[in-house]
Amino acid sequence: GQQVMQIPQYQHVQEGEDFTTYCNSSTTLSNIQWYKQRPGGHPVFLIQLVKSGEVKKQKRLTFQFGEAKKNSSLHITATQTTDVGTYFCAGKSNFGNEKLTFGTGTRLTIIP
Amino acid sequence: EPEVTQTPSHQVTQMGQEVILRCVPISNHLYFYWYRQILGQKVEFLVSFYNNEISEKSEIFDDQFSVERPDGSNFTLKIRSTKLEDSAMYFCASRRIQQADEQFFGPGTRLTVL
Repeated sequence: GQQVMQIPQYQHVQEGEDFTTYCNSSTTLSNIQWYKQRPGGHPVFLIQLVKSGEVKKQKRLTFQFGEAKKNSSLHITATQTTDVGTYFCAGKSNFGNEKLTFGTGTRLTIIP
Repeated sequence: EPEVTQTPSHQVTQMGQEVILRCVPISNHLYFYWYRQILGQKVEFLVSFYNNEISEKSEIFDDQFSVERPDGSNFTLKIRSTKLEDSAMYFCASRRIQQADEQFFGPGTRLTVL
């Protein structure tokens, strides 16, 4: 079945440093979503990417969808303590499907 | 701001017992989902529900699982005979319309099977 892997599994950064998590799917995706889960919390939707090569920005967050629609990345510039949490990518294999396959997640901790 | 609610927040049960997890999706949403997350692991899709029927389910969602929307507001997940490996956080989520991207997740129910 479809597998979605993320690297790194854990990332510890000094506050103010940048952070990037990479997401790779074993199959081509129709779209990809990104979620953030705070410790002890529930996933919160961040964004969806649909087009090959698409880049979207939300303040300090930059999301990319690969040309082959099999990989994606999330980059955070100048991390803040509020960025702490686990970042998951989640992909759909076909537009008509409802199943979201979540990635393995990258847990970000910030050293103040 | 409207939100998805789930009850109970924590359920402890004995192996072999039936449990029902309850969710109240956001009122004007049409698509409903159940996910589970074993402690420290990724979120796993269980089932999606639309127009009063299952639209898709994963291989995890076997005959021990069922979902129901008994009235206009509740959405339930039943596990008929719980196993130790069913211990996890169960999240309900809802989505407004087909064109909307965002799934809104509830706070989750932590199920512990002893």
